[in-house]
Amino acid sequence: AQSVTQLGSHVSVSEGALVLLRCNYSSSVPPYLFWYVQYPNQGLQLLLKYTSAATLVKGINGFEAEFKKSETSFHLTKPSAHMSDAAEYFCAVSARGSTLGRLYFGRGTQLTVWP
Amino acid sequence: NAGVTQTPKFRVLKTGQSMTLLCAQDMNHEYMYWYRQDPGMGLRLIHYSVGEGTTAKGEVPDGYNVSRLKKQNFLLGLESAAPSQTSVYFCASSYGRVGETQYFGPGTRLLVL
Repeated sequence: AQSVTQLGSHVSVSEGALVLLRCNYSSSVPPYLFWYVQYPNQGLQLLLKYTSAATLVKGINGFEAEFKKSETSFHLTKPSAHMSDAAEYFCAVSARGSTLGRLYFGRGTQLTVWP
Repeated sequence: NAGVTQTPKFRVLKTGQSMTLLCAQDMNHEYMYWYRQDPGMGLRLIHYSVGEGTTAKGEVPDGYNVSRLKKQNFLLGLESAAPSQTSVYFCASSYGRVGETQYFGPGTRLLVL
């Protein structure tokens, strides 16, 4: 089975500071990779995904993530945090060999943005 | 388009009671999924369906049953609720092809006393 590790269950940054949320996967074959965001009392919304094109993927709300095969990582970044970015962020993977498109989620990282 | 909707939004059950959660999607997606979300655990797959009339077990299926009688609906049933089933339940749907995005509903909060 696929495995996803999100380092840091809680991350706090000041408004305007760099946001860095870490995600590592375990798979011999690079999977499809996703970042989802969950705002309080809402469902999950796709931020961005990596399929097989450019290794630097740009998403919504100014977020981007870089796929690094050598490090088996897909870290999420945003140059300047905004108060509205406060939410829980989930990294997920889907195996390329799968016919089901099943997602395996990390445990999530709660992002707090201080004024 | 409404996307993925879930009914009810919140429910309180007593141990041993039964209930059904309804998920509906209007995107003509083939695949539908039920997840549960618990603090610090991320989302875990309960059951899924790859098309009308088909269902399969996910990672944590015990205590749940599902049905997909219509393509647009996916029902999750709890026959005899237990406190361990207190959770937030999310439904999702997708076209099912590898790499496709899953679209999530707003969730159902269930409290079992």
